[in-house]
Amino acid sequence: NAGVTQTPKFQVLKTGQSMTLQCAQDMNHNSMYWYRQDPGMGLRLIYYSASEGTTDKGEVPNGYNVSRLNKREFSLRLESAAPSQTSVYFCASSVYGDRGTSGTYEQYFGPGTRLTVT
Amino acid sequence: EDQVTQSPEALRLQEGESSSLNCSYTVSGLRGLFWYRQDPGKGPEFLFTLYSAGEEKEKERLKATLTKKESFLHITAPKPEDSATYLCAVQVSSSGSARQLTFGSGTQLTVLP
Repeated sequence: NAGVTQTPKFQVLKTGQSMTLQCAQDMNHNSMYWYRQDPGMGLRLIYYSASEGTTDKGEVPNGYNVSRLNKREFSLRLESAAPSQTSVYFCASSVYGDRGTSGTYEQYFGPGTRLTVT
Repeated sequence: EDQVTQSPEALRLQEGESSSLNCSYTVSGLRGLFWYRQDPGKGPEFLFTLYSAGEEKEKERLKATLTKKESFLHITAPKPEDSATYLCAVQVSSSGSARQLTFGSGTQLTVLP
């Protein structure tokens, strides 16, 4: 049981190049997320997918696109990379903690991708 | 706007010196408060979920508590292996954001041998 896996671990891009970050989970979770983490800013949500076939914008979606390929996989694409997108990117998935009307979604994170855009 | 503030930003302790980390929040309709541990170069690792004021949870040397405005992560007799950044996050019940977490900036804990 690998949990949440991400590829690649490191990537350097030039401004204007494109790339796709891959994420997969083997925990049979319905929901998946993409975050970026910057010094002093905490983790910020880029996009999420509540279930297979749906995606929604988070706090900082500009410059990114996502695809929920199937229940296991959720990819993040940078169409034209900019230096402001230099960051560490984390994928997460969640199980629904059954609390009745007060249900919560505990999220489990992958190891991250460190992206530098020059 | 939902806000989560963690203090202190950094904390250095001697091995065995107990202390507490603080997470204060301003949200409407708290659904859950989460604590995570993050080691350098790794993803956050889930520790606890707290749902309502007065609730407490423990794991080894860590104990998390929740009030209506803040949460504390108490570390009893810490060891060097407890050194990490501890992140707090909240989930609110407002429509459209039921699955979103709002994170604080974290407390970087260093435990010296």
